Amino acid sequence: NAGVTQTPKFRILKIGQSMTLQCTQDMNHNYMYWYRQDPGMGLKLIYYSVGAGITDKGEVPNGYNVSRSTTEDFPLRLELAAPSQTSVYFCASSYTQGSIYGYTFGSGTRLTVV
Amino acid sequence: KQEVTQIPAALSVPEGENLVLNCSFTDSAIYNLQWFRQDPGKGLTSLLLIQSSQREQTSGRLNASLDKSSGRSTLYIAASQPGDSATYLCAVLYNQGGKLIFGQGTELSVKP
Repeated sequence: NAGVTQTPKFRILKIGQSMTLQCTQDMNHNYMYWYRQDPGMGLKLIYYSVGAGITDKGEVPNGYNVSRSTTEDFPLRLELAAPSQTSVYFCASSYTQGSIYGYTFGSGTRLTVV
Repeated sequence: KQEVTQIPAALSVPEGENLVLNCSFTDSAIYNLQWFRQDPGKGLTSLLLIQSSQREQTSGRLNASLDKSSGRSTLYIAASQPGDSATYLCAVLYNQGGKLIFGQGTELSVKP
């Protein structure tokens, strides 16, 4: 039972480059989320999706894009990477908004922009 | 604005102590509250989830309480062990929008 799988685990980007962070879940969860975590801080929501074909902005969406073509996949796209996007990125999923099982998180992608 | 605050930011205790981590939230219209553990360089592991209709949840040496009227939750760890050393995050799911709002975390160190 894989849960939420994120790739890559680590990445170094140069300023202005683009990349896609991959997230896949095998629990048939409707809801999926992308968070970023800066040092010493809690997690901030970037984008979320309540089902295939539906996405919405979170607290800090600028500089990112998402798509949700299938229930399983929720990739996060960084266009024109900036040093401010250096962070650890977490993908998460849940059955529904109020699932009694709560959220399941991936192991994270550590991104450095130089 | 819906905010979640955790105090203290860091805590160091000797092995065997009972301890309490605090979480406060500004809006009492919550759906549920979840406590997570995060080890250095790792992802988040769910510890306990309390629905808005519940007052507490227990798992082993962990007990989490919820008081919506005062906007507070506590995570009680009994007989702490060095293996409990980690950052503990509190997160609140509010009714509106379905977004989980996180506190900044409490970094716990249990000394042998």
